[in-house]
Amino acid sequence: GAGVSQSPRYKVAKRGQDVALRCDPISGHVSLFWYQQALGQGPEFLTYFQNEAQLDKSGLPSDRFFAERPEGSVSTLKIQRTQQEDSAVYLCASSLAEMGQGYEQYFGPGTRLTVT
Amino acid sequence: GENVEQHPSTLSVQEGDSAVIKCTYSDSASNYFPWYKQELGKRPQLIIDIRSNVGEKKDQRIAVTLNKTAKHFSLHITETQPEDSAVYFCAAKDKNFVFGPGTRLSVLP
Repeated sequence: GAGVSQSPRYKVAKRGQDVALRCDPISGHVSLFWYQQALGQGPEFLTYFQNEAQLDKSGLPSDRFFAERPEGSVSTLKIQRTQQEDSAVYLCASSLAEMGQGYEQYFGPGTRLTVT
Repeated sequence: GENVEQHPSTLSVQEGDSAVIKCTYSDSASNYFPWYKQELGKRPQLIIDIRSNVGEKKDQRIAVTLNKTAKHFSLHITETQPEDSAVYFCAAKDKNFVFGPGTRLSVLP
């Protein structure tokens, strides 16, 4: 079936603008993760959803970052008042089971955000 | 929280040789250790993983070993091919996934 998809693939925002990044996980996957990947670095955890519940948001760097998954499928990561340091690739990943049971994550292609 | 270190940061090998990438982690509660391959501009893809109740796992040319006492795990690629060239990330999972900084592997023909 279809893998994890993300949109847009590329986003250029002027500093101070708000952006919304979308993730469509694999159908039926319970767990959904958001990561931030800076150039030349490994992905850094932002937040985790189990169905519609946001169980861990400890990685969100500031209160300008907000994520939701209202119906337990599609998720949106919103960044308010973007700053240059927000420039990165934002990766979404989904996993079939809950965090403590199934572990294999499937990543989306990412959204490359550039803040000018 | 968990901290994952990865070495080397870059690795060049001749086609057909073996490549070894090593990671250490800090949180003894971590219980799952995946390895991802990421080609330029592409998504990370899981290539092999190991759980804390296993010491070694092999899948064709790829193997992973885990030493829980020393808190380190390694990726071994044998008979390397040019298409193995990519950035490889290790990760450790306790409460959530923590990734290493990556190793850029170049396989020279």
